Amino acid sequence: DSGVTQTPKHLITATGQRVTLRCSPRSGDLSVYWYQQSLDQGLQFLIQYYNGEERAKGNILERFSAQQFPDLHSELNLSSLELGDSALYFCASSVAPSASYNEQFFGPGTRLTVL
Amino acid sequence: EDQVTQSPEALRLQEGESSSLNCSYTVSGLRGLFWYRQDPGKGPEFLFTLYSAGEEKEKERLKATLTKKESFLHITAPKPEDSATYLCAAEFGNEKLTFGTGTRLTIIP
Repeated sequence: DSGVTQTPKHLITATGQRVTLRCSPRSGDLSVYWYQQSLDQGLQFLIQYYNGEERAKGNILERFSAQQFPDLHSELNLSSLELGDSALYFCASSVAPSASYNEQFFGPGTRLTVL
Repeated sequence: EDQVTQSPEALRLQEGESSSLNCSYTVSGLRGLFWYRQDPGKGPEFLFTLYSAGEEKEKERLKATLTKKESFLHITAPKPEDSATYLCAAEFGNEKLTFGTGTRLTIIP
């Protein structure tokens, strides 16, 4: 158990809908990262927050947005869902802001299925 | 574009049969090379970080090494519980981890 929690574990929804994925980092970690893992693309970095502020951005679609709250939990919002958004979404956390010098601890993931 | 390539895609070994997994990367300001283990349906689990060519790290039956263009994950006398997908990731100075697609390792008893 990494100490990172994600809810829900599974989510099934329809095209065009909007969903929110939630992540709580390990105690003491200030950085939260979001990743998407699909069969054909592997693990893709979406976005990072550090202590409430956006720090780094990957290939995140404009339909997706995220935020980190004062209690350090984070939410990833996915809207206008398409079939291709079906994937595993992972949250990871680390103590410090740099991706280079801090190992990231991953949560168990949310499996999103868009029908 | 910075890329990370892992080989082979899949590897089947007999229990006790040692081997190595490869992770090669484009040379563009590597700042850190990370190895993770991922079990089916679970999040990646951190194994090692390497920062400079020549660096080596060990953990039980695993040893990770780094050269200027690639990293190897050596598995010595593996056991069935070592079966998993092994992912490598690199950070190229842009504060983002770029992951390879992984090597799916199966250890046959």
